[in-house]
Amino acid sequence: QITLKESGPTLVKPTQTLTLTCTFSGFSLSTSGVGVGWIRQPPGKALEWLALIYWDNEKRYSPSLKSRLTITRDTSKNQVVLRMTNMDPVDTATYYCARKMVRGAAFDFWGQGTLVTVSS
Amino acid sequence: QPVLTQPPSSSASPGESARLTCTLPSDINVRGYNIYWYQQKPGRPPRYLLYYYSDSDKGRGSGVPSRFSGSTDASANTGILLISGLQSEDEADYYCMITSSNAWVFGGGTKLTVL
Repeated sequence: QITLKESGPTLVKPTQTLTLTCTFSGFSLSTSGVGVGWIRQPPGKALEWLALIYWDNEKRYSPSLKSRLTITRDTSKNQVVLRMTNMDPVDTATYYCARKMVRGAAFDFWGQGTLVTVSS
Repeated sequence: QPVLTQPPSSSASPGESARLTCTLPSDINVRGYNIYWYQQKPGRPPRYLLYYYSDSDKGRGSGVPSRFSGSTDASANTGILLISGLQSEDEADYYCMITSSNAWVFGGGTKLTVL
């Protein structure tokens, strides 16, 4: 059974750095083709892809947010961490982590998401 | 990054079919892309439905009913999600997605109402 779960602060202040952790089980991030990505969704708005890390530690970032994002992994803990710097109220959103399937680019398993509010 | 255009809303009656569209910008050809579709219900994470590239290269996610299918309209540079035999439980937001230049891109989503 594949599961993913996001954890991190629910409230951050403007200009602070957000650190979110995705803890997963039921698959290995060492398996060729697998990836774990982060996607966010502001309240009432559309999905926005942020970043992805592959099984071989290759990383991909949204061009519009690249300067603010860092994605890392801890294979031994089955965790993927996303850091986003210089948080702003417009970054208020539900943040999801999801598994990229082995073949293809689809995110086939998702966490429940965590709502992060940016406010002073 | 390309912008995928989806109509904000669509509606259909139970038992009918719903045709949801995802239009790619003119500088990229739908024939060259896998189009992925997701369903999202309120308060829930998205659910992967299917992908479509061609009639010989397509697939549905685990447990997704066969009444969900994909296609493209090359003349309109559009990906299509067809839901046949609509049920009340199909009322949800639907998002398309592609990958382009090592980035994942989502459409703006369509809210499907089952009348």
